[in-house]
Amino acid sequence: SQQGEEDPQALSIQEGENATMNCSYKTSINNLQWYRQNSGRGLVHLILIRSNEREKHSGRLRVTLDTSKKSSSLLITASRAADTASYFCATDSRDDKIIFGKGTRLHILP
Amino acid sequence: NAGVTQTPKFQVLKTGQSMTLQCAQDMNHNSMYWYRQDPGMGLRLIYYSASEGTTDKGEVPNGYNVSRLNKREFSLRLESAAPSQTSVYFCASSYGQGEGGYTFGSGTRLTVV
Repeated sequence: SQQGEEDPQALSIQEGENATMNCSYKTSINNLQWYRQNSGRGLVHLILIRSNEREKHSGRLRVTLDTSKKSSSLLITASRAADTASYFCATDSRDDKIIFGKGTRLHILP
Repeated sequence: NAGVTQTPKFQVLKTGQSMTLQCAQDMNHNSMYWYRQDPGMGLRLIYYSASEGTTDKGEVPNGYNVSRLNKREFSLRLESAAPSQTSVYFCASSYGQGEGGYTFGSGTRLTVV
């Protein structure tokens, strides 16, 4: 069963704009992670936020976590063509395995 | 280069044939995982190994077996392939215990006809 669920399923924005993707999950977590997958490639780890953290930054990425609402958001600022990819959230529960959502397909328009 | 190496990259099998997907990591990670990715389904965990010598079932283990040969290698075996096992398979590894993210291989695209 899916734990995390991303929203929206697909998103198209103009280059230079900010992109926001959301993730909701069902049960308590140790941490939440975001991954990027370019077409035909494996997943690349972007950022991990622990359950006791509320916000984390990495370059143009900003992740927030609201454990009371069981939700997270990924913000990509000043988007570039190279950001076109699918983005997945993944939640890490107590049994040392992570469960992925179905992903958000992001398309950056020139 | 450090990372997770999967072989083969592509494979076509006939129904009923068997094959083993190989995975090796050189990052001294404790935990290793096998996922399958199908359109519209995201990634689903098949099996994982939290440490050398241990393996556990994930969400979709039926039709698969695994072997954690040593700390570096984790193989996935299809004993009698079925068309429903047509998918892209990814191996991943991590330090485990919630420490850091997963590192993924580049995937194996398997078609069962």
